[in-house]
Amino acid sequence: GAVVSQHPSWVICKSGTSVKIECRSLDFQATTMFWYRQFPKQSLMLMATSNEGSKATYEQGVEKDKFLINHASLTLSTLTVTSAHPEDSSFYICSAPGLDSETQYFGPGTRLLVL
Amino acid sequence: QQQVKQSPQSLIVQKGGISIINCAYENTAFDYFPWYQQFPGKGPALLIAIRPDVSEKKEGRFTISFNKSAKQFSLHIMDSQPGDSATYFCAASGYRGSTLGRLYFGRGTQLTVWP
Repeated sequence: GAVVSQHPSWVICKSGTSVKIECRSLDFQATTMFWYRQFPKQSLMLMATSNEGSKATYEQGVEKDKFLINHASLTLSTLTVTSAHPEDSSFYICSAPGLDSETQYFGPGTRLLVL
Repeated sequence: QQQVKQSPQSLIVQKGGISIINCAYENTAFDYFPWYQQFPGKGPALLIAIRPDVSEKKEGRFTISFNKSAKQFSLHIMDSQPGDSATYFCAASGYRGSTLGRLYFGRGTQLTVWP
């Protein structure tokens, strides 16, 4: 089956620094990827749609300048949390649609802790 | 606004019993309804999914029942096992307009199966 990886799996950073999270489709290409955020014991909230070769589409209430998304190739999307603060601490998960364009394959997630 | 409503929030079932989780939606643009299983610290994994053109789909011990007129769907786990203990999310997406490819998740159900 399709595999999506994320790197790093966890990161701890100081408040005010920026953190980059990578999402890769390992054995398939994805012109679109999705980024989600999940707080402890809560649901996954869609943050944005990453589009290869064009600007990302952000969900209502998500700060574009804080969560920078770059979809540089057909297998890689990156999410950069700029000037991170403790309230940005969360579990960030990406997904990519498979060949049927319907099934979403999720990465293992990246746990971010901002001190 | 929660586009997909899920209940119960938690569920405790005895080994061998049937686990039932319910979801409801309002947006008629949704036409794809997957269920995901998530273990702590991991990304969600697709269990089973259904389209509105069928009322039921079964894969092994997992069955989705779908009621299009009521805009409701449910997951039944037969012969529940301790290894099924996880958080289950229903979701919905569509291929028209603003719902194109984007998954909207329910709040999740924490299932515990005790021996």
